[in-house]
Amino acid sequence: DTGVSQNPRHKITKRGQNVTFRCDPISEHNRLYWYRQTLGQGPEFLTYFQNEAQLEKSRLLSDRFSAERPKGSFSTLEIQRTEQGDSAMYLCASSSLRGRGYGYTFGSGTRLTVV
Amino acid sequence: SQQGEEDPQALSIQEGENATMNCSYKTSINNLQWYRQNSGRGLVHLILIRSNEREKHSGRLRVTLDTSKKSSSLLITASRAADTASYFCATDDDYKLSFGAGTTVTVRA
Repeated sequence: DTGVSQNPRHKITKRGQNVTFRCDPISEHNRLYWYRQTLGQGPEFLTYFQNEAQLEKSRLLSDRFSAERPKGSFSTLEIQRTEQGDSAMYLCASSSLRGRGYGYTFGSGTRLTVV
Repeated sequence: SQQGEEDPQALSIQEGENATMNCSYKTSINNLQWYRQNSGRGLVHLILIRSNEREKHSGRLRVTLDTSKKSSSLLITASRAADTASYFCATDDDYKLSFGAGTTVTVRA
């Protein structure tokens, strides 16, 4: 297992288009998280899954955002009708309930640029 | 809103020197974690300190936690050029991490 994998690494899209990002967590991790990070800031929590259930969503996650984790494995984050303010790094992380207290494993992120 | 705040915002030191950065937070925590982020990359977990611990070491890293002051510090000893990165503290309230804005550390050769 090589860690948390995110695809694509970079995405440039025109305003108004839809984009979808994928995250493959560490296979034995049952928790998966999405964060957003803008330049010069720390990551901000968007949402998290425990297995396939989406248990918490931040108010940052507007109606244009949707996340899924079918079968409790990989996850997708879709942004509809993108806006320039959506430009950011989108980070995925996973953790294990059994290993609570051992930190989260982050992917390398997907950098979104909306032009 | 961000739970933690790091201080200073930026730090420039000579290779071999020690680097100290501080983190303050607002609410009670289960644990506090420190992460490193190289430019444009994901975050790497460095060390976790539980709310009932006061000090923890990992290699060249030393973390302290003062829950009465709601503050933590990260010390990197004998810094190297490879330590150049942004460092973030994050509080863990069981299902999410809340990060500060980070301290950018530059280690000059």
